[in-house]
Amino acid sequence: EIVLTQSPGTLSLSPGERATLSCRTSQRVSGIYLAWYQQKPGQAPRLLISGTFTRATGIPDRFSGSGSGTDFTLAISRLEPEDFATYYCYQYDTSPYTFGQGTKLEIK
Amino acid sequence: EVQLVESGGGMVQPGRSLTLSCAASGFSIDGYAMHWVRQVPGKGLEWVSGINWNSARIAYADSVKGRFTISRDNVKNSLYLQMNSLRIEDTALYYCAKDRRRSSSEITCADYWGPGTQVTVSS
Repeated sequence: EIVLTQSPGTLSLSPGERATLSCRTSQRVSGIYLAWYQQKPGQAPRLLISGTFTRATGIPDRFSGSGSGTDFTLAISRLEPEDFATYYCYQYDTSPYTFGQGTKLEIK
Repeated sequence: EVQLVESGGGMVQPGRSLTLSCAASGFSIDGYAMHWVRQVPGKGLEWVSGINWNSARIAYADSVKGRFTISRDNVKNSLYLQMNSLRIEDTALYYCAKDRRRSSSEITCADYWGPGTQVTVSS
């Protein structure tokens, strides 16, 4: 199975700063099959981005995705208080589909 | 409004079976792939299984292959997960989720999720 490794495990930033989250895959993943989710405590995950770049409905444009091959990135341009959460990357290129272990974005 | 509601969770002994159900409302699951994803409280997400809109394509995580069976009833607008030979490590919150793409033979990524149902495997 394809292993997704996210870094850093925890990212401490202040509102207004830029966040950059990394997802590295153990095998090449087609860019059209990489997604990002946000999860807050006690809530189900929320789809942010699919196909590496495409924001889901209602997702603000401060969220952007990039990458190819084995290296993918989620960027949040100007952190808002509601952005502090855990983020997961997910590949649906090759079954079994897999999630990364998550990056917790916390307020500094 | 899209809604997914899981049921059937509970506490069960190792080796026993349990069947989870997911009732969809606000949309027809016919035409959409569906997923089961689980999460141990305080831990990460684990994709468990997916089924495409007409059940022609089904996939499982290695950790559940041969023990779990996913199925769907498009008429009843429901998704199921039959879990056999349960292990302590299957203890988790199980989410039902709707695939983002309509009328695709593929299983892709989920855009709507239910609140989950807790499964606890313990002797």
